[in-house]
Amino acid sequence: DADVTQTPRNRITKTGKRIMLECSQTKGHDRMYWYRQDPGLGLRLIYYSFDVKDINKGEISDGYSVSRQAQAKFSLSLESAIPNQTALYFCATSSGRYSPLHFGNGTRLTVT
Amino acid sequence: AQTVTQSQPEMSVQEAETVTLSCTYDTSESDYYLFWYKQPPSRQMILVIRQEAYKQQNATENRFSVNFQKAAKSFSLKISDSQLGDAAMYFCAYRSVLSAGGTSYGKLTFGQGTILTVHP
Repeated sequence: DADVTQTPRNRITKTGKRIMLECSQTKGHDRMYWYRQDPGLGLRLIYYSFDVKDINKGEISDGYSVSRQAQAKFSLSLESAIPNQTALYFCATSSGRYSPLHFGNGTRLTVT
Repeated sequence: AQTVTQSQPEMSVQEAETVTLSCTYDTSESDYYLFWYKQPPSRQMILVIRQEAYKQQNATENRFSVNFQKAAKSFSLKISDSQLGDAAMYFCAYRSVLSAGGTSYGKLTFGQGTILTVHP
């Protein structure tokens, strides 16, 4: 089983819909991250969190919100999806500032 | 802010040959980490190799090695004896440290990616 699990794997939604992407981990890591991947841009940081009380904005947080429901769960929400949020979304975890990031297998989101 | 640039959108190599992927970065920090990640069609992000900036010796992992030029801020990946399974998108990444709320995080800044095709 994967240590970092993202659901759903793929999702198609319509403009204006609310959608939630979920991430859960069994690695016991405290730090969790959401990244977005676009062609020609690489991966960019959306939000990051240390625990349920600690949520921080990354470089492209506009239009997104997150919830750290538990130490092992970190969800990304699009309150009103728009087509330019079509992308591949990754959740990642780490155990410390010098520890490597461990990625989930990504959620491909298409907004029509 | 740190930036990472991969100037080769696509590269190709013949099976069993050697290929080098380029990466440059910009930073004012003296101590940092650099990484190469591989992303096959399965979308999984796989860590290929890492380099600590304070180490002068270039990192090596089996057929993968880096040429780390700290003064030039260059970090290229060499793949020797290329195999069909090496075909993927490769990302160069720089790790900086974020501090928020008294906690430190490792933040990765990625390059644009290079698509590597391996021809049989």
